[in-house]
This record gives sequence, C-alpha cells and structure tokens, in this order.
Amino acid sequence: AQSVTQLGSHVSVSEGALVLLRCNYSSSVPPYLFWYVQYPNQGLQLLLKYTTGATLVKGINGFEAEFKKSETSFHLTKPSAHMSDAAEYFCAVRISGAGSYQLTFGKGTKLSVIP
Amino acid sequence: GAGVSQSPSNKVTEKGKDVELRCDPISGHTALYWYRQSLGQGLEFLIYFQGNSAPDKSGLPSDRFSAERTGGSVSTLTIQRTQQEDSAVYLCASSSVGGTTYNEQFFGPGTRLTVL
Repeated sequence: AQSVTQLGSHVSVSEGALVLLRCNYSSSVPPYLFWYVQYPNQGLQLLLKYTTGATLVKGINGFEAEFKKSETSFHLTKPSAHMSDAAEYFCAVRISGAGSYQLTFGKGTKLSVIP
Repeated sequence: GAGVSQSPSNKVTEKGKDVELRCDPISGHTALYWYRQSLGQGLEFLIYFQGNSAPDKSGLPSDRFSAERTGGSVSTLTIQRTQQEDSAVYLCASSSVGGTTYNEQFFGPGTRLTVL
C-alpha cells in the first residue's frame, strides 16, 4: 500500500522568500504524484503532477516540484512567496497502471505568508 | 457551471439522525469519488464509482455509511445514525476516465457536516 508523509503541518515564510514544502512517499510500484492546493472553504485544486517523463514538473502559480526516486520525495517549491499563496497544500500519490484510481493524501501543510 | 457541485454546503445535525449528501459530477465524467477531510486524519478515500461497475467501498469506515450513484451521474452519500466523530468535510471528485490511465480528479467545494 502507498503512503504519503508531509513534513511540517504548518510552514511560515516571508513574502518574497523561498517556499519549500516537503513530501515523501512510499509505494511498491512507480507512482503518480500530485500536489493540490486548498484555499479556505474551497475544494482542492491541482497544482501540478508527475506521471512519467521529466522529473522536474512545473505547475500553476509559479510552483514546481521534482520527483526524486532515490529519495522517494516530491518536494514543492516556489522561488518567491506571494501573499496569495497562503493556503493548505496536500501531496498525494496514486499507483500507476490499471485498476489504480484512489488518491492517498498526506495530512497537509498550511502555508502562511508574512508581509 | 462546469465544475463539480455539492449540496448542502453546510449541514448541522443531531447525533443519531441520518444525513444525505449530494454530489453532481462534471457532465460526461464516468468516475466519481468521495473523500472525507477531518481534523487530524487528513483526507481519506471513502468510495469510488466507475460507470456501471460495482463500486469500490473499501474506504467506508462503517456500515452506517453508504453511497449510490443513480443513472451514472448524481451520487448521494448517506450516513445513518450519525456520531460526533462523523463531523468532517465530505469532498466529492469526478474524472473523465477511471482506473486505466492517468485521469485528473476535479474536486467539489465539499459539504461541512457537524454532528452535535
């Protein structure tokens, strides 16, 4: 079975500073990896995904993540935080291949941006 | 709107009552998922529907929980004899192709259930 660990339930950064949200996964087969963002009282929105191919993936709002198989990691970064980035971020994994559909989520990291 | 919609947005009920939560998926999406988001537990998968296939109920936490999907579209999640630990946000998602290839799940805004 797959699992996801997000290090840090709450991260605070200053506006303009680097954002780094950590995600490690465990999966016995090649995974699909996702980052979702949730703004207050809203549903989840897909930020970016890794399925196959290039291990550095770019998403919306200037975010990117790198799949590192040797480290079983998929950390999310953004070079310069903006106030509008304040939200909760969820890393998720799904096993690739037929019959695999449900997402397994980490517990989330709430990002605060300090002006 | 073209997104996933859920109703009601908020539901307050008394312990022991039954509740029904509704999800309208994106038109044409054959796969539908329910998740539960609760404090301390994060997001948990509950149930998955794909077309006319038997649903995967492996995530349902107890037999008080059930779900159906009528006509391959709208889904209803029913919780019988609600308990305080059922308080959570229930999220619905839909996708265009379920199970065989990568398919993005689009999420609704959720129903916040509070059991007093």
